Parts: sequence; C-alpha cells; structure tokens
Amino acid sequence: GAVVSQHPSWVICKSGTSVKIECRSLDFQATTMFWYRQFPKQSLMLMATSNEGSKATYEQGVEKDKFLINHASLTLSTLTVTSAHPEDSSFYICSALAGYSNQPQHFGDGTRLSIL
Amino acid sequence: AQSVTQLGSHVSVSEGALVLLRCNYSSSVPPYLFWYVQYPNQGLQLLLKYTTGATLVKGINGFEAEFKKSETSFHLTKPSAHMSDAAEYFCAATGGFGNEKLTFGTGTRLTIIP
Repeated sequence: GAVVSQHPSWVICKSGTSVKIECRSLDFQATTMFWYRQFPKQSLMLMATSNEGSKATYEQGVEKDKFLINHASLTLSTLTVTSAHPEDSSFYICSALAGYSNQPQHFGDGTRLSIL
Repeated sequence: AQSVTQLGSHVSVSEGALVLLRCNYSSSVPPYLFWYVQYPNQGLQLLLKYTTGATLVKGINGFEAEFKKSETSFHLTKPSAHMSDAAEYFCAATGGFGNEKLTFGTGTRLTIIP
C-alpha cells in the first residue's frame, strides 16, 4: 500500500520551455504533499509544501513564480518549472502524507530534469 | 530549529558483517524519526520509523534502530549485510506532532564488499 506515482521519470527539454511534473497518490488520499529537489550526491532539499485546495507554502529561497505548484485534489499535485534554464536541471522528488505528522511520507520515484 | 547529523558520508562493510549507520538529532521537542533508503535514480523507501512507545523499532529487510533520548541518537543497524543493501541511507526527523516537515541528514552511502 501507500504508493506514490510520479511522472515523467525523465525529461529533457530546451531552455525556455516549461515542464510539468505530476505526483499522484494511488491508493490513499494525501492531506499534504511535498516537493523536494536533490542535487547529485546530496540530500533532499524541501522546496514547498502543498495542501489540497490551498496555496503552496514555499521554503525560503525558492522562487514561487519559477516553481508553480498546484494541488487540485487529494490525490494529485503538480509542479511546473516555468521557463526552465540549465541551472534548473536536477532530480525532483515528491512525497505524500496520508495523515498526521506521526505517519511517514511516501515518496515518488523522482523526475530527472535535464535542460539543454 | 532541528537538525539531523549523519556521521560518515561513506560506510563500507563486508558481506555478512554488521551494518551500523549513525544518526544524531537536535530538537527542542520530541521528534518523530525515520530512516529511508534510496537506490540510484529512485525515490526514497521507508525502512522504519519511531514516534512513541518502544524505543527499539524493527523495519524492513532486517534493519532496526534504537531511539536513545539521552544520546539524541537513532542509529540504524543490521546484523548481517547483504549485497542488496548497497544504497544511500537517509535519517530524517519531523518536529513532532503537528509538524510534518522532514529534516534530512546528509545521507550515508553504504557499500558492501563481497
């Protein structure tokens, strides 16, 4: 149980384009979803927290207009990297929380984004 | 603010030997603690968690961890390493009830020597 699907797993695109990444909780309703960024050989950096039907809460230093987050339902959150540039290339991972903070976050398999 | 420290960015053990990955936390409130494993180009998989109750928690794949409040530690162990255990391991903590944000350690890469 507690499966989180993230799509696409790998995307390569030209500089200046926008890329949308989907995160779905397949067998549970996620009260909260999180978006992380991971650089090579480093830990996960929290970008933002999103709750269904409300605006996402961004971490300090994360550009809201660059990384648009929509949490339209209890099973779907999307991250759109707008006007992507090579420095946005990274591994993006989402996670979903089914209840309170004493429950573990369940992670998607990540999306490797490469901007040429 | 809380923080999570993982001692040793790289750990190598022989197949069949004890695995010990260290994690210390600092928090002003009792945290919830987690260990996750990450294989290359994949997301994170939960190994085990501690919230309340028994301080020795058992997880998947033969791993266990013990919460020691006096030492602010939550070290991960496995009695006998297997080749399939080679991966990146992350210790993480939340700020207790009502605070869902995970703070991650920097990770430990475990290598198994045949």
